[in-house]
Amino acid sequence: GQQLNQSPQSMFIQEGEDVSMNCTSSSIFNTWLWYKQDPGEGPVLLIALYKAGELTSNGRLTAQFGITRKDSFLNISASIPSDVGIYFCAGQLPAGTALIFGKGTTLSVSS
Amino acid sequence: DAGITQSPRHKVTETGTPVTLRCHQTENHRYMYWYRQDPGHGLRLIHYSYGVKDTDKGEVSDGYSVSRSKTEDFLLTLESATSSQTSVYFCAISPGQGAYGYTFGSGTRLTVV
Repeated sequence: GQQLNQSPQSMFIQEGEDVSMNCTSSSIFNTWLWYKQDPGEGPVLLIALYKAGELTSNGRLTAQFGITRKDSFLNISASIPSDVGIYFCAGQLPAGTALIFGKGTTLSVSS
Repeated sequence: DAGITQSPRHKVTETGTPVTLRCHQTENHRYMYWYRQDPGHGLRLIHYSYGVKDTDKGEVSDGYSVSRSKTEDFLLTLESATSSQTSVYFCAISPGQGAYGYTFGSGTRLTVV
């Protein structure tokens, strides 16, 4: 099936550092979304992107829809301990099928 | 702010027994999904529903069946549980197929011994 390659798999950073993670695919996507999962909970939508080149912010989070429509990145600025969790990218193919999820990036923040 | 609830939250069952997980929504969304989450695999789609009695298979549907007799309820059944089905199961809902993003439940942790 279709795959999203999400990297890095895990990150260990100090509080206050900036974080960057990305997703790539060999297929074109119409929509890119980024989710965060806290321990013991379901993923929660952070940012949705709908147009190639679109750059969207949500507080300290910034995400971009790649120009080629085959990639997206998520940046977190000035990380804090509550940023800890698993971050997932997800995309929807032009056929309008169910979302495809990346394998996640596990973020650990030390204070 | 539930809107979507899963039950049970935790379950331990024996190999070979049938198991049914329930997802209930109060949002009147058309689409409902069942995913499983496993280390190293992320979220993988098991089955989804696009209306009452309308369902389709996902990437990892073998060994699972679903039913949706009412808009608000989507059931996932493991006919004969195996150890490989030990996982965390998430239900998700959406008004459309995906472009609006999904709202996830809190998950069911299933252990098959």
